[in-house]
Amino acid sequence: DAMVIQNPRYQVTQFGKPVTLSCSQTLNHNVMYWYQQKSSQAPKLLFHYYDKDFNNEADTPDNFQSRRPNTSFCFLDIRSPGLGDAAMYLCATSKAAGFEQYFGPGTRLTVT
Amino acid sequence: GESVGLHLPTLSVQEGDNSIINCAYSNSASDYFIWYKQESGKGPQFIIDIRSNMDKRQGQRVTVLLNKTVKHLSLQIAATQPGDSAVYFCADDTGRRALTFGSGTRLQVQP
Repeated sequence: DAMVIQNPRYQVTQFGKPVTLSCSQTLNHNVMYWYQQKSSQAPKLLFHYYDKDFNNEADTPDNFQSRRPNTSFCFLDIRSPGLGDAAMYLCATSKAAGFEQYFGPGTRLTVT
Repeated sequence: GESVGLHLPTLSVQEGDNSIINCAYSNSASDYFIWYKQESGKGPQFIIDIRSNMDKRQGQRVTVLLNKTVKHLSLQIAATQPGDSAVYFCADDTGRRALTFGSGTRLQVQP
């Protein structure tokens, strides 16, 4: 089945130690998104790629970076995780603006 | 800033009753709206969507109503089941390729 896959599902990292979360999709969608979701809150958009065009949200910290080497894969890099970065990170895809976004299962990040 | 928000943080209903979850949005440029269901530890799951040229759309046991005059969106779930227990988010798209999510409503279905 076509889907959005996130690895790993659970990630533990140390304070200040760089970490990379990955997302892949088999939907061949043009747009890939990264959201941060903290407990009992709505997903918050960090950035998205429309094809190779990177779009950063104004309030996304510089500590968060993203890479999209090809249509299928997108990575979230957290350069120096702080305790406040512990959250669920959700990847989503859509074929274009104004269409449904398909979400992956998320990666829960713990910072120790 | 402009945002999408929900009126009720928690809604408790009896199994078999109908549920109504409400959402207010503030961006008059919003032209596409989605309802998502999110179960604990999972990613949001698409339920139903509606575009601004419609005021009602029906799916299987779900109906979305859009009132553009008062910028209000609602999700109706018929014959609510225990499996419907989850957090429900509305989200809107202003055409900038990004969704703005509301704060979420937790639906609790009592047996």
